[in-house]
Amino acid sequence: GAVVSQHPSWVICKSGTSVKIECRSLDFQATTMFWYRQFPKQSLMLMATSNEGSKATYEQGVEKDKFLINHASLTLSTLTVTSAHPEDSSFYICSASPAGGQETQYFGPGTRLLVL
Amino acid sequence: QKEVEQNSGPLSVPEGAIASLNCTYSDRGSQSFFWYRQYSGKSPELIMFIYSNGDKEDGRFTAQLNKASQYVSLLIRDSQPSDSATYLCAVIGRGDMRFGAGTRLTVKP
Repeated sequence: GAVVSQHPSWVICKSGTSVKIECRSLDFQATTMFWYRQFPKQSLMLMATSNEGSKATYEQGVEKDKFLINHASLTLSTLTVTSAHPEDSSFYICSASPAGGQETQYFGPGTRLLVL
Repeated sequence: QKEVEQNSGPLSVPEGAIASLNCTYSDRGSQSFFWYRQYSGKSPELIMFIYSNGDKEDGRFTAQLNKASQYVSLLIRDSQPSDSATYLCAVIGRGDMRFGAGTRLTVKP
């Protein structure tokens, strides 16, 4: 149980384009989903927290207009990197929690983004 | 002071030895504590969680919690090369889950 999927697993795009990443909880309803970014050999960095049906809460320093998050249902959250630039190249990982932020988080497999 | 602190390592142990990973946290009101393992290039996977003071054992893994000292540790017995990974400590306090930077463990054959 507690399986989280992400799609795509990797993406290569040109600078200036937008990329959408999907995160799905497959066998549970996720009231809260989290988006992280991880650069090589660095720790996880929380970008934003999203609750179903409400606006995402972004961490300090994360541009909400650049990283659009939509949590349209209890099993799906999307992250759209708008006008991607090479410095946005990173490993994007989502996680989902069945009981809000006060419970275990289950991670998706991650999406590796390379912006040329 | 960081909310969750871990020694970044690397921690190197020989195969078969006990690996001891440590974590301290700043929020005295924290209630839930987690250990995740992250292999290089992969996302974190949950190993164990612990809520009460004392030890919790699961196979070769033992989590130890001391709320008075604000300290949580993970012991890996009979370490195997396949245990080589980064181990993330995570804590839920008054807010959402917060992660430590991780400790890189290398188990040498």
